[in-house]
Amino acid sequence: DGGITQSPKYLFRKEGQNVTLSCEQNLNHDAMYWYRQDPGQGLRLIYYSQIVNDFQKGDIAEGYSVSREKKESFPLTVTSAQKNPTAFYLCASSTIAGNTDTQYFGPGTRLTVL
Amino acid sequence: GNSVTQMEGPVTLSEEAFLTINCTYTATGYPSLFWYVQYPGEGLQLLLKATKADDKGSNKGFEATYRKETTSFHLEKGSVQVSDSAVYFCALSDNTGFQKLVFGTGTRLLVSP
Repeated sequence: DGGITQSPKYLFRKEGQNVTLSCEQNLNHDAMYWYRQDPGQGLRLIYYSQIVNDFQKGDIAEGYSVSREKKESFPLTVTSAQKNPTAFYLCASSTIAGNTDTQYFGPGTRLTVL
Repeated sequence: GNSVTQMEGPVTLSEEAFLTINCTYTATGYPSLFWYVQYPGEGLQLLLKATKADDKGSNKGFEATYRKETTSFHLEKGSVQVSDSAVYFCALSDNTGFQKLVFGTGTRLLVSP
């Protein structure tokens, strides 16, 4: 089955540690995205990538970093510079034919920083 | 900038009741509009979409019509089920040629038997 996988589902880290969240897709999509979701709020875009080896900052990129070395993979690193990292993180992918295309979401990773 | 406003939740209904979740938007040009649904502990799934004015998106008994004159995209369902309990997000994609979604804050729906 085609889809997006995120691992792990739950992640706990100590304050001051960097942590990397995995996102893999086998939909052959060119574009991939990372969102952050906080309770009672909508999703906010962290980073996105339209093509391998290229990515752009979203609305809340500070304290995060990404890489896109392979088409199917778009890992997100939450660095110690992120002031409030505890949140639910969602990865998505889409084709890049235009603004009518659907984004497909993974199941999410819930990060808790202790 | 672009924005989406949804009605505050939770919306609490009995099974078989009629559902409306309001969504209005602010955008330049002609955005595409989407409704996504999130079940507890899961990611988002596309429920329906509309890409131009007067289009009606529909899926699983849910419907929404793209109203440019009122800048609205209200979600409706004639008879809700307990399994419809979830959080519903309205979103728009601007017309820059690349899909960058702007989400509303989400509306939680609770359906009781």
